[in-house]
Amino acid sequence: ILNVEQSPQSLHVQEGDSTNFTCSFPSSNFYALHWYRWETAKSPEALFVMTLNGDEKKKGRISATLNTKEGYSYLYIKGSQPEDSATYLCAFIGKGQAGTALIFGKGTTLSVSS
Amino acid sequence: DGGITQSPKYLFRKEGQNVTLSCEQNLNHDAMYWYRQDPGQGLRLIYYSQIVNDFQKGDIAEGYSVSREKKESFPLTVTSAQKNPTAFYLCASQRTGGIYEQYFGPGTRLTVT
Repeated sequence: ILNVEQSPQSLHVQEGDSTNFTCSFPSSNFYALHWYRWETAKSPEALFVMTLNGDEKKKGRISATLNTKEGYSYLYIKGSQPEDSATYLCAFIGKGQAGTALIFGKGTTLSVSS
Repeated sequence: DGGITQSPKYLFRKEGQNVTLSCEQNLNHDAMYWYRQDPGQGLRLIYYSQIVNDFQKGDIAEGYSVSREKKESFPLTVTSAQKNPTAFYLCASQRTGGIYEQYFGPGTRLTVT
């Protein structure tokens, strides 16, 4: 069974702090990694889809990096704001599984205080 | 507006009853998915469908059934055989291929007593 691990499970930061969290996935057979943001009372929304080793993607204050050889991805939030409070999910898909379902981690829940 | 709808938002049923959760999308996506979330757990896959009239079991399909008669619709039936049906259920759709993001509905919270 393929396992996707996210850490930490939760964290609490002050407004203006920068933070990062980790997604670990099987390094063999990599095809793509997805990041989603899930705000309370809303649907999960895609942040990034990453496919290449060394990939770095950015959307506003949020960025992500990918290391497929060692099997991890980092999500960074610069200058956290209260509206960044959400659960951040990563999801892995392996070669041969493209077109099948993602394997999700349990998520990292971020709380940002003003 | 394109998107995914799920209904109802909250659903209450008595133990032993089957219940069907609705999922509709107008994004013209071929692939559709059903996930279940329990407290402290990630999203776990119940069933998925890559094309009309075809679907595959996910990791936790026991006690559930689906149909895919139309591209837009992928209803999930929670049968009385599902031992712990109380959970939050999310439907998603996607263009076929792992490089495309999934789009999620708002979810249905099912409570069985």
